[in-house]
Amino acid sequence: KAGVTQTPRYLIKTRGQQVTLSCSPISGHRSVSWYQQTPGQGLQFLFEYFSETQRNKGNFPGRFSGRQFSNSRSEMNVSTLELGDSALYLCASSLGGDTGELFFGEGSRLTVL
Amino acid sequence: GNSVTQMEGPVTLSEEAFLTINCTYTATGYPSLFWYVQYPGEGLQLLLKATKADDKGSNKGFEATYRKETTSFHLEKGSVQVSDSAVYFCALRQNTGGFKTIFGAGTRLFVKA
Repeated sequence: KAGVTQTPRYLIKTRGQQVTLSCSPISGHRSVSWYQQTPGQGLQFLFEYFSETQRNKGNFPGRFSGRQFSNSRSEMNVSTLELGDSALYLCASSLGGDTGELFFGEGSRLTVL
Repeated sequence: GNSVTQMEGPVTLSEEAFLTINCTYTATGYPSLFWYVQYPGEGLQLLLKATKADDKGSNKGFEATYRKETTSFHLEKGSVQVSDSAVYFCALRQNTGGFKTIFGAGTRLFVKA
């Protein structure tokens, strides 16, 4: 069974640009969550989607957005990039529900110059 | 809101030593509790979980018991190995107007031969 696939794995952008990250969940998983991981802040929750609906959102500015498609693939977008957005962005898929184990991808490492 | 607090690292132990990593949480109701592990160069993966009070999760010699009275989920292992060197994350998952899994800051463990 293929795992969670995130693309691109690495990218470099400059301040003010925007970026789109993609996540393909495990087949059959309808829930996708996104996290920002930094050395100082740990894993910060961005949002969670289930069947194309955003079910919850973390405490991030409106520059961070996401969506989920009918095939459960998800994208997140960050507009007007700032230096502080440099981080590892992790996607996780699950079956959903309150006992749902998360299966993580390897992440997309974003560097903003 | 919900939160997870775990002991700061790094924790350095000799092989075969006893390990405890403390984790406490703040939540209303009855969240599910998890320990995830991130080995060097690998993605986050589930180590163990417990979904209700007094449940004990176990895997690979690690154990944690869901203690509602002390709102804790401490991770223990009787005899650590060098291969256990990793970052360990405590997490809780709950439906609070939408599902969300939140993580502690992570505890880095170094095991010396």
